[in-house]
Amino acid sequence: GDSVTQMEGPVTLSEEAFLTINCTYTATGYPSLFWYVQYPGEGLQLLLKATKADDKGSNKGFEATYRKETTSFHLEKGSVQVSDSAVYFCALSAKAGTALIFGKGTTLSVSS
Amino acid sequence: DVKVTQSSRYLVKRTGEKVFLECVQDMDHENMFWYRQDPGLGLRLIYFSYDVKMKEKGDIPEGYSVSREKKERFSLILESASTNQTSMYLCASSAETQYFGPGTRLLVL
Repeated sequence: GDSVTQMEGPVTLSEEAFLTINCTYTATGYPSLFWYVQYPGEGLQLLLKATKADDKGSNKGFEATYRKETTSFHLEKGSVQVSDSAVYFCALSAKAGTALIFGKGTTLSVSS
Repeated sequence: DVKVTQSSRYLVKRTGEKVFLECVQDMDHENMFWYRQDPGLGLRLIYFSYDVKMKEKGDIPEGYSVSREKKERFSLILESASTNQTSMYLCASSAETQYFGPGTRLLVL
């Protein structure tokens, strides 16, 4: 079945460092891909998404490109802030609006 | 803005109790979902619904049931709570993109 694998955490960075969180997927067909973020004590918020190959999703300085050839959707940010400390989830859905399959989450901790 | 609300942020129940978790969305979405979140396991799908009075089992439905009598409301029911159901429960609704509620942290003693 479909699945999502993302890098294990925690990831610990200093403020203004470059961030990459790796995400790869296995799916039949052409899934939509998502990054969600969960701040402490809160639910999940959509960070960005891409619905077809070569699409780039971006939001709040974060970016991810849908790479069909490598089945990847890595999350990047050029300069992280303390306020980016959170848990990040990569997810896919086989069809728009249907159930999501999540990776296990990566905890990011940014210190000043 | 899409709003998904869950009836409780924190809940403490005893083993064997029947537990109701309520979820309401205000965007007229057809699709609604219940997930549970556990450390190291990510989010796992319990049940989902693509229409009123319709329900489908997700990956871990055992010990749970759901009710969707109205489009905006999707309830998760723990028929007889057990300690292994201690978890964070997240509700979501969608048209094309899923939007999540704030979660209910349930402790079963």
